[in-house]
Amino acid sequence: GDSVTQTEGLVTLTKGLPVMLNCTYQTTYSPFLFWYVQHLNEAPKLLLKSSTDNKRTEHQGFYATLHKSSSSFHLQKSSVQLSDSALYFCAQYQGGRALIFGTGTTVSVSP
Amino acid sequence: EAAVTQSPRNKVAVTGGKVTLSCNQTNNHNNMYWYRQDTGHGLRLIHYSYGAGSTEKGDIPDGYKASRPSQENFSLILELATPSQTSVYFCASGDEGQLNERLFFGHGTKLSVL
Repeated sequence: GDSVTQTEGLVTLTKGLPVMLNCTYQTTYSPFLFWYVQHLNEAPKLLLKSSTDNKRTEHQGFYATLHKSSSSFHLQKSSVQLSDSALYFCAQYQGGRALIFGTGTTVSVSP
Repeated sequence: EAAVTQSPRNKVAVTGGKVTLSCNQTNNHNNMYWYRQDTGHGLRLIHYSYGAGSTEKGDIPDGYKASRPSQENFSLILELATPSQTSVYFCASGDEGQLNERLFFGHGTKLSVL
């Protein structure tokens, strides 16, 4: 069945460094992929989304490219800030039914 | 921005008791969802609805019922609460049709079943 895999549970890094969070998916349908971010004690919010193969999508300094050939939608940022510390979820539509989420990656940025 | 309000924000229940979690959205979205969030599992879909009067089972519906009496309201019901249902529950509504839909989440309900 459809699934989303995030391999890193926790990523710790220093302010100013680049980050990449991995996301791979499985689906028998045309893929629609999303990244949601959840700051501490807040609700998850949409960060960015894509359904177009090999096209980079960007928002708030974060970017991701959907690669259907490798079933991936990795999230990247060139220079992380303290405010980027949060829980990041990759998600996709499950057979046109509802959104399913990966297990999430916690990003912790230190000064 | 779409507003989704959950109540209560915190709830302590006893094993075997009945728990009702409520969700209200004010943006006239057709689709509404209930997820639970647990460490190591991310967000898992319990029930969802395409409109008033409809409910559908998600990936983990056992032990839960849902009710959508109106466009604005979507409830999650635990008839016989168990400690394994201790979790944070999120309600969400969707602003478009399927596939490209953006979800707007409430702030969550932290449920502890003792």
